[in-house]
Amino acid sequence: ILNVEQSPQSLHVQEGDSTNFTCSFPSSNFYALHWYRWETAKSPEALFVMTLNGDEKKKGRISATLNTKEGYSYLYIKGSQPEDSATYLCAFLGTLRGGYQKVTFGTGTKLQVIP
Amino acid sequence: DGGITQSPKYLFRKEGQNVTLSCEQNLNHDAMYWYRQDPGQGLRLIYYSQIVNDFQKGDIAEGYSVSREKKESFPLTVTSAQKNPTAFYLCASSIEVGGSIYTFGSGTRLTVV
Repeated sequence: ILNVEQSPQSLHVQEGDSTNFTCSFPSSNFYALHWYRWETAKSPEALFVMTLNGDEKKKGRISATLNTKEGYSYLYIKGSQPEDSATYLCAFLGTLRGGYQKVTFGTGTKLQVIP
Repeated sequence: DGGITQSPKYLFRKEGQNVTLSCEQNLNHDAMYWYRQDPGQGLRLIYYSQIVNDFQKGDIAEGYSVSREKKESFPLTVTSAQKNPTAFYLCASSIEVGGSIYTFGSGTRLTVV
């Protein structure tokens, strides 16, 4: 069983504050890391696909970094807005024997932005 | 617009009854997946299918069955053998099994009483 942890489990921030949270994953057999954003009553939507150590991706006010050697990825939100309120999921893709990838999801970080 | 449709959104069943959850995609994706979510846990894989007429057990397949007779459709049956069926079920698809990004449905909440 692969251990993929996200922290914190939940957080509340004021509108305009910047925030960040972490996804920790095994540092061996890394293939890729995906970030998803899941708003209540909607489908999870893909944010980023990260594959290389040192990757930095950006989409508007949201950005992510990747450190495969130490097994973590950070997601940053600059100037949080109420519409950023959602659960942010990371998915670790590890390569198993035989060369195929296994996807393991973290438990998510639930973000609430207070107007 | 391409996407995944799960139905129904909410489902109530009596204990001991089998129930089938629907998942349909029009994305022309080869791979489809069923996940289960319980409070405080990450999504756990029940079954996946790489191609029509083929499917594989995931981490928690006991008490579930699937079929993949058409590329677009991957229904999940929760049987009476599933000891704790009340949960949120999420269907997903991707171009292929492997590193492809997932497209998700909006889920079905099953309550067994």
